Order: sequence, then C-alpha cells, then structure tokens
Amino acid sequence: NAGVTQTPKFQVLKTGQSMTLQCAQDMNHNSMYWYRQDPGMGLRLIYYSASEGTTDKGEVPNGYNVSRLNKREFSLRLESAAPSQTSVYFCASRSGGTGETQYFGPGTRLLVL
Amino acid sequence: GDSVTQMEGPVTLSEEAFLTINCTYTATGYPSLFWYVQYPGEGLQLLLKATKADDKGSNKGFEATYRKETTSFHLEKGSVQVSDSAVYFCALRGQAGTALIFGKGTTLSVSS
Repeated sequence: NAGVTQTPKFQVLKTGQSMTLQCAQDMNHNSMYWYRQDPGMGLRLIYYSASEGTTDKGEVPNGYNVSRLNKREFSLRLESAAPSQTSVYFCASRSGGTGETQYFGPGTRLLVL
Repeated sequence: GDSVTQMEGPVTLSEEAFLTINCTYTATGYPSLFWYVQYPGEGLQLLLKATKADDKGSNKGFEATYRKETTSFHLEKGSVQVSDSAVYFCALRGQAGTALIFGKGTTLSVSS
C-alpha cells in the first residue's frame, strides 16, 4: 500500500498561471480532503469530498476548484494562481466514522511568484 | 463553531526532560480528539487519539487524556529524545463533522 500520494512534490508558478494538484489513495477510503498549511496558521481545510461524486467547501475555498474523479482520486485546481496561494498543500483520506484516522500525503510545496 | 487552541511554541527542552503541550477545544457534543506529528519536510502522522471522555490515547511514550470537564487533551511524555523534535498538532472532529479542525501547531526542539 502506498497510502496517499501527491504530485507534484514542488511547483513554481507565475501569477495568473493555472495548475492541478493530483492526489490518489489506495486504501478504499470514502472521504478525501485538501488542506493548506501556512506558517502560524496550522492546517486549514480548502475542500473535501465525503464520498465519490460529492464535494463541499471548507474554510478557505476561494480561488480553488476540486474534482473527485473516482473513489481513488481527488484533484485540486488553481485556475489563476496568486501569490497568496503560496503554501504547502496536503491531501488526506479517511474511511468513515468520527473516530477514524485521517491519513495524509507527503504534501506539495507551491510557490507563486 | 468548533475550534482548537494549543500552546504557542517553540518549546525547547533538553533530552530526558518532561514534556507537556497544552490543548483545549470548543465543540458541541462529544468530538473525537487527535494529536498529529509532523517531522521536517514530511506530511502529518497520527500520534494518538481518543474518541470518548476519559479515554487515554498513547503511542511511542506519548500520552493524552480526553477531559470533558476541562475540554482539554494535553500531550505529555515523560522523557523526550532528540528524535521527538517536530511540530505537534492537536485536532478534533465534531460529532457531525467530517474534516479535522486543527490547532496552529507547537514546534518542539530537543537538544542533547
């Protein structure tokens, strides 16, 4: 089991460019999540998908879109990148139940110039 | 809404010292509580969890007890090692929630 994988590991964009962050899990989990991590802010939820075919906004959704392509994959798209979106992005997944563990990917470091 | 507050860092300790990182929460009902650890350059890993009041989570010498009366879930370790240097995050998931809500993280630095 690879767990949760993310690509790319690191990306530099210019303001206004677009890109898609990819995430996949091989644990047959129903729920998947995208967070961003900024210094002194902890992790903040961008979007989540409770099950295949559904997506919902989190705390900081502006400037992002998501696609739950199938049960395994959940992508995050930046349509027009801004310097404020410079961050580390983490994908996570969970099987279900409030006490169930959430598993995280290794992260994507994004720098927007 | 639900929230988590954890002590500001950084926390700097010598090897074999006692560690406490305070965490308090605000939530309705009975949330599940978690501690995650992030080593430099890596993602988050679950350290321990507790799903009901008075439960004690433990792992790798770390412990935390779910205290409903004080809405707290403080992390403790009796004797820290250099390898424990990392960022520690307290988190909760509410009864009706799906995503974790995180504190801002506490950086621990242990020197030999």
